[in-house]
Amino acid sequence: QLQLQESGPGLVKPSETLSLTCSVSGGSVSSDSYYWGWVRQSPGKGLEWIATISYAGFAYYSPSLKSRVTVSLDTSKNSLSLRLTSVTATDTAIYYCARHVLFYYEDSGSKGWFDPWGQGTLVTVSS
Amino acid sequence: EVVMTQSPATLSVSPGERATLSCRASQSVSSDVAWYQLKPGQAPRLLIYAASIRAPGVPATFSGSGSGTEFTLTISSLQSEDFAVYSCHQYNDWPPAPTFGGGTKVEI
Repeated sequence: QLQLQESGPGLVKPSETLSLTCSVSGGSVSSDSYYWGWVRQSPGKGLEWIATISYAGFAYYSPSLKSRVTVSLDTSKNSLSLRLTSVTATDTAIYYCARHVLFYYEDSGSKGWFDPWGQGTLVTVSS
Repeated sequence: EVVMTQSPATLSVSPGERATLSCRASQSVSSDVAWYQLKPGQAPRLLIYAASIRAPGVPATFSGSGSGTEFTLTISSLQSEDFAVYSCHQYNDWPPAPTFGGGTKVEI
């Protein structure tokens, strides 16, 4: 049974870089066909997709965050990581990692939902 | 980007009653909609995918319906553990980006 757990600093200063790790147990991050996603929820707002990375390390990014985001896999630690540069107060949020369950459809490409999720980690951007 | 609009923002219901949550897409997303349950300090839980298929382990009191632009999550008889925030998610428009609704809080 897959389990995910996010970790990282709870407080980041404006203009600095937010770095988070998601540790995965019950499965390998490099298992064929596994995709992994990052999603956040800002206070009082809905969920927002940040990025998805494949088992082979190919990443897809939200157009609105693409210039500031990098996601990667660490197969030695069975984990994935998120880096978000030049943060501002609007990046204050609960950050979640999740398995992105994707299926390929010949007429419409890959698509799918998130399951399971980690319990999330709150990151506050403040000086 | 497909905008998902959930209504109402807050739904006040008594235990044992039925709750009906709505989600509207700004353009057709076929049946590519999932629903999640969110509780503070807990991992979000997948309830429904493909608009109407219950995820494993989800009670039959939860049901989803709809296609195109209108979707509904129904909780037939609310239990105490069902009071939470519920979020819809369209995954038809990816890439560029899957999008989520703003959430409906189901409160006592």
